[in-house]
Amino acid sequence: GENVEQHPSTLSVQEGDSAVIKCTYSDSASNYFPWYKQELGKGPQLIIDIRSNVGEKKDQRIAVTLNKTAKHFSLHITETQPEDSAVYFCAASIGNYGQNFVFGPGTRLSVLP
Amino acid sequence: DGGITQSPKYLFRKEGQNVTLSCEQNLNHDAMYWYRQDPGQGLRLIYYSQIVNDFQKGDIAEGYSVSREKKESFPLTVTSAQKNPTAFYLCASTLGLAGGSTDTQYFGPGTRLTVL
Repeated sequence: GENVEQHPSTLSVQEGDSAVIKCTYSDSASNYFPWYKQELGKGPQLIIDIRSNVGEKKDQRIAVTLNKTAKHFSLHITETQPEDSAVYFCAASIGNYGQNFVFGPGTRLSVLP
Repeated sequence: DGGITQSPKYLFRKEGQNVTLSCEQNLNHDAMYWYRQDPGQGLRLIYYSQIVNDFQKGDIAEGYSVSREKKESFPLTVTSAQKNPTAFYLCASTLGLAGGSTDTQYFGPGTRLTVL
């Protein structure tokens, strides 16, 4: 079945620096890759996603890149701010209709002022 | 406001008791999901439902049960057979098969269950 790995597990950056989180997946049939941000005690919130027919997507300070050949995708956050501090999860779609997901173990990002 | 609601936010249970967690959505989504999250870990799928009156086991279904009698509601019962039920439980939904392709999954705020 699908397996999603995520690195690093923790990441500390200075405010204003960039942060990069990387995920790899195993199922070549996966075609949808969302990223979620989870603050303490809350449910995950979708921050950006990418489909397999696109190599890169950007939304203001957040971007995601996808390399289907290598089966990896990455989250890039530029000009980090303290409010970016949270746990970030990647996920990959699975199943006949891609309606289920496998999640990575998460990355705890700390942005130091 | 459209979205997913979960209640209660915090729930305490004595060992040996069954407890039911509520999940309601007004997004008109067909598919609903229950996940379990343990401290410092990712999300693990308990059950999912693609349509009313149908549901499937996920990766960790033992000790849990669900029902899907209405499109808007997908309650999860944590039974006494679940050996380690203390966790954060998350409900999610997607547009489902009607969407025609893989859809964005939206999450509720979660219920923190503690067994005393």
